[in-house]
Amino acid sequence: DAKTTQPPSMDCAEGRAANLPCNHSTISGNEYVYWYRQIHSQGPQYIIHGLKNNETNEMASLIITEDRKSSTLILPHATLRDTAVYYCIVSAVGYNNNDMRFGAGTRLTVKP
Amino acid sequence: DSGVTQTPKHLITATGQRVTLRCSPRSGDLSVYWYQQSLDQGLQFLIQYYNGEERAKGNILERFSAQQFPDLHSELNLSSLELGDSALYFCASSVDRGWADTQYFGPGTRLTVL
Repeated sequence: DAKTTQPPSMDCAEGRAANLPCNHSTISGNEYVYWYRQIHSQGPQYIIHGLKNNETNEMASLIITEDRKSSTLILPHATLRDTAVYYCIVSAVGYNNNDMRFGAGTRLTVKP
Repeated sequence: DSGVTQTPKHLITATGQRVTLRCSPRSGDLSVYWYQQSLDQGLQFLIQYYNGEERAKGNILERFSAQQFPDLHSELNLSSLELGDSALYFCASSVDRGWADTQYFGPGTRLTVL
């Protein structure tokens, strides 16, 4: 079972910022927060990850609260192609990097 | 394009049969992971191989097996297929440097068991 809680669905207007929340209240010190998305039935696409600092890349920004119990993925200017299921995952540091537990995710619909 | 390739894209077979799914990881990646995604279960981790050796097992049935070859490609073998095995099967790869490492997913193989 996933260690994260996400809203099942969200809508966003095209061109606006999409803010996707994730709760991970039981996160431990060696666990990263990862975000992936899956467009229709394609393979999950890596977006971003972080440990405790906020992170930004060409796709998105990740804001992690100071207590690390929640995070927000921000797509700054959502487009129709950003419509997808977004997964928030916590994954432990360690030799056996297999702990990618995908939950139900958030289905983001970007509307014109 | 993640750099991970999977073949075939689609596979249709009958119950009781055996199939093999193939995955080629990104260049330089040592770890390969297999996942199953069915309509009612979401993405489930099956098994991980690192540099030819099995490293971790998830919810993999005994009828399923996998291996990773010296050239690092991997195969997932599914036998005695049942209707419930119909699903998308994804392969992912990562460099695996000993800490939390990003997994990159292939496009998947859609298996339909009739």
